[in-house]
Amino acid sequence: GAVVSQHPSWVICKSGTSVKIECRSLDFQATTMFWYRQFPKQSLMLMATSNEGSKATYEQGVEKDKFLINHASLTLSTLTVTSAHPEDSSFYICSARRRTGYNEQFFGPGTRLTVL
Amino acid sequence: AQSVTQLDSQVPVFEEAPVELRCNYSSSVSVYLFWYVQYPNQGLQLLLKYLSGSTLVKGINGFEAEFNKSQTSFHLRKPSVHISDTAEYFCAVSALYNQGGKLIFGQGTELSVKP
Repeated sequence: GAVVSQHPSWVICKSGTSVKIECRSLDFQATTMFWYRQFPKQSLMLMATSNEGSKATYEQGVEKDKFLINHASLTLSTLTVTSAHPEDSSFYICSARRRTGYNEQFFGPGTRLTVL
Repeated sequence: AQSVTQLDSQVPVFEEAPVELRCNYSSSVSVYLFWYVQYPNQGLQLLLKYLSGSTLVKGINGFEAEFNKSQTSFHLRKPSVHISDTAEYFCAVSALYNQGGKLIFGQGTELSVKP
C-alpha cells in the first residue's frame, strides 16, 4: 500500500511553453502533498506544500506564479511550470502524506523535465 | 527550525564490508528521523524511521540506525553491503508538531559499493 504515481515520468518541451505534472496517491487519501525539486547530485529542495481544497504554501524564493500548484482532490495534485525556461530543467518529485498516522511521506518516482 | 548535516558526501566501500553513513541534526523541538534511499532517476524509498521508543531502529535491506539524542545523531549502518546498495542516501527530520509534516533533508551521501 501507500503508492504514489507521477505522470509523466519525463517530458521535453520548448522554452516558453507550459508543462503540467500530475501526482496521484493510488491507494490512500492524502491530506497534504509536497513538491520537491532536485538538481543533479543535490538534495531535495521543498518547493511547496499543498493541502486539498486550499491554496498551496510556497517556500521562500519559489515563484508561485511560475509554479502553479492545484490540489483538486484527496488523491491528486498538479504542478504546472508556466512559460518554462532551460533553467527550469530539473527532476521534480512529489510526495503525499496520509490522512492518518504520523508524518510519513510517500514519494512518487519523479518527473524529469528538460526545457530546450 | 531544523537542519540536517550528512558528514560524508561520498562513501566508497568494498562488497561485503560494513558501512556507516553519518547524520547529525539540529532542532529546537522534538523530531522524527528518517533515512531514505534513492536509486538513479527514481523517487525516494523509506529505509527506516525513528518515531519514539527503542533508539536502535531496524529497516529494510538489512540497514539499521541508532538515534543518539545527546549527540543529535542518527547514523545508518549495514554490517555487510552488496553491489545493489549502491545509491544515494538521504537523512531527514520532521518536527513532531506544528510544521505540517515538512521534511528537512541532508545533502545526501553517495554510497558506492565496489566488487
